[in-house]
Amino acid sequence: QQPVQSPQAVILREGEDAVINCSSSKALYSVHWYRQKHGEAPIFLMILLKGGEQKGHDKISASFNEKKQQSSLYLTASQLSYSGTYFCGTEKDGSQGNLIFGKGTKLSVKP
Amino acid sequence: SQTIHQWPATLVQPVGSPLSLECTVEGTSNPNLYWYRQAAGRGLQLLFYSVGIGQISSEVPQNLSASRPQDRQFILSSKKLLLSDSGFYLCAWTWDRLHYTFGSGTRLTVV
Repeated sequence: QQPVQSPQAVILREGEDAVINCSSSKALYSVHWYRQKHGEAPIFLMILLKGGEQKGHDKISASFNEKKQQSSLYLTASQLSYSGTYFCGTEKDGSQGNLIFGKGTKLSVKP
Repeated sequence: SQTIHQWPATLVQPVGSPLSLECTVEGTSNPNLYWYRQAAGRGLQLLFYSVGIGQISSEVPQNLSASRPQDRQFILSSKKLLLSDSGFYLCAWTWDRLHYTFGSGTRLTVV
């Protein structure tokens, strides 16, 4: 049930772009994206719902392909503050709200 | 405004000792409550979730149990800790299944 994230890690220079992918073997109701700094709690970035539109948040946006059960997080013109581990969380269609996260993608942005 | 409290922040316990971690939410009623564990290389693993008082769903069979004695209180327990129980434990809540808010976490080291 755990969604699969790729890549596991990525290193960028400031200003470069990155894409993080998330896929599931189950029909999904929603996909959630969070970022976590080391030793801190994960912070909400955005949520994509079945039948909803692509979301955007400053230079971070995401898409959700319901048929393929896949989501992608797009980081544009990365900043140093983007460093951290990104998690996608998925809820199955028909679930009561058990949000299952992937193993995470560690993003390092270098100056 | 809603806040989530989780304590203690750090804990060092010997193998075989009991465990009790507490999480409380303020400023809302009937939230969904969650316990996640983060161990190296495993991402955010959902342990338990609750949609109401006395209603606990377990995602992973293990040495832990959870209880929800009051609407906004969620407790994670163990009768006898194992070395493999070490990790970063995070409590989370949501009222709409759209935005999940995490507590600051408990770093548990079993020695």
